Amino acid sequence: NAGVTQTPKFQVLKTGQSMTLQCAQDMNHEYMSWYRQDPGMGLRLIHYSVGAGITDQGEVPNGYNVSRSTTEDFPLRLLSAAPSQTSVYFCASSWTGSNSPLHFGNGTRLTVT
Amino acid sequence: SQQGEEDPQALSIQEGENATMNCSYKTSINNLQWYRQNSGRGLVHLILIRSNEREKHSGRLRVTLDTSKKSSSLLITASRAADTASYFCATGGSGGSNYKLTFGKGTLLTVNP
Repeated sequence: NAGVTQTPKFQVLKTGQSMTLQCAQDMNHEYMSWYRQDPGMGLRLIHYSVGAGITDQGEVPNGYNVSRSTTEDFPLRLLSAAPSQTSVYFCASSWTGSNSPLHFGNGTRLTVT
Repeated sequence: SQQGEEDPQALSIQEGENATMNCSYKTSINNLQWYRQNSGRGLVHLILIRSNEREKHSGRLRVTLDTSKKSSSLLITASRAADTASYFCATGGSGGSNYKLTFGKGTLLTVNP
């Protein structure tokens, strides 16, 4: 099992550009989520999904879109990148949301100039 | 907003010593989880303790939970250089926050050989 796979590992964007961060899991988990990690801020939840076709907002959703068309994939879209979105982004999945352990990908380091 | 707060922010010990990290939180929880993050990598789940449990062990790890004080501690016994990492507590809520796992800012543990 590959677990949770995130691509790309690194990305540099200019302000105003858009892009999609990819996340795929092969554990048949219903729950998937996106976090961002900033120095001194810990991890903050952006969006999450409890199954295909169902998504909801986390703590810091502005500027990001998600969709969940399959159980395996949960892409995160940046609509118009801003320097404040410079961060490390982590995708994570689990069986039942916050009541079971999260499995994390290795992250995407995004820089917006 | 952050739910868990780890203490201390940084801890430096010698190999073979024990390391204790604390986590405090503010609202009622279903469970509390501890994660480890090695530099540049994703988080790895260590242990989950439910709100009706007081203590849990896993190898060299011992976690306690005191719901009356809204606090938890993670003890790593006989530490090794490979234990050097950041450690995060995360709380799983109840009711409307059942799908949101909220992370603290972490404790950076350095184990010197």
